[in-house]
Amino acid sequence: NAGVTQTPKFQVLKTGQSMTLQCAQDMNHNSMYWYRQDPGMGLRLIYYSASEGTTDKGEVPNGYNVSRLNKREFSLRLESAAPSQTSVYFCASSEGLLVPGNEQYFGPGTRLTVT
Amino acid sequence: LAKTTQPISMDSYEGQEVNITCSHNNIATNDYITWYQQFPSQGPRFIIQGYKTKVTNEVASLFIPADRKSSTLSLPRVSLSDTAVYYCLVVSTGTASKLTFGTGTRLQVTL
Repeated sequence: NAGVTQTPKFQVLKTGQSMTLQCAQDMNHNSMYWYRQDPGMGLRLIYYSASEGTTDKGEVPNGYNVSRLNKREFSLRLESAAPSQTSVYFCASSEGLLVPGNEQYFGPGTRLTVT
Repeated sequence: LAKTTQPISMDSYEGQEVNITCSHNNIATNDYITWYQQFPSQGPRFIIQGYKTKVTNEVASLFIPADRKSSTLSLPRVSLSDTAVYYCLVVSTGTASKLTFGTGTRLQVTL
């Protein structure tokens, strides 16, 4: 039982390049999330998927797209990377938004640098 | 939105009890209070959640007064390994609109 896994762990991009961050969970969770964490800051929600087949914007969605490929996988795509997207990206999953408290399980993160 | 406010940092000696208070004046009826812990270079880890009064698990206790406008995370007998950032979140059932982690409280435990 690996929990939430993310690939890659590290990535360096040049401005304008694109890439997809992958996330998978093996806990049969309904909801999945993408956050970014800038140095010294808390996490901010980018996009989330309440259930398979649905996605919604979070607090900071501009410059990103997501795909809920199936119940296990939720990917985050940067179409044209910008230096402002340099951050650590965390994927998380939970049983669902209707579960009181909505306990989330986080992956190890992807450290992205855009030059 | 139920914005939360917590101290930026706290210091403690090993073996002491640590209490971190979070204020959430605009908490709504169907909101739950949750706390996460984050170590450097790791994702946050869920610690405890509650709705009212007191909740206790093997790691911590959570005290919530009747008006629910604040909550206190209590860590008994902290050790060096409890040095981390602690986040208080007010989570609204059925929506992800309040899933914002503030800057948290950086707890430093020393000998």
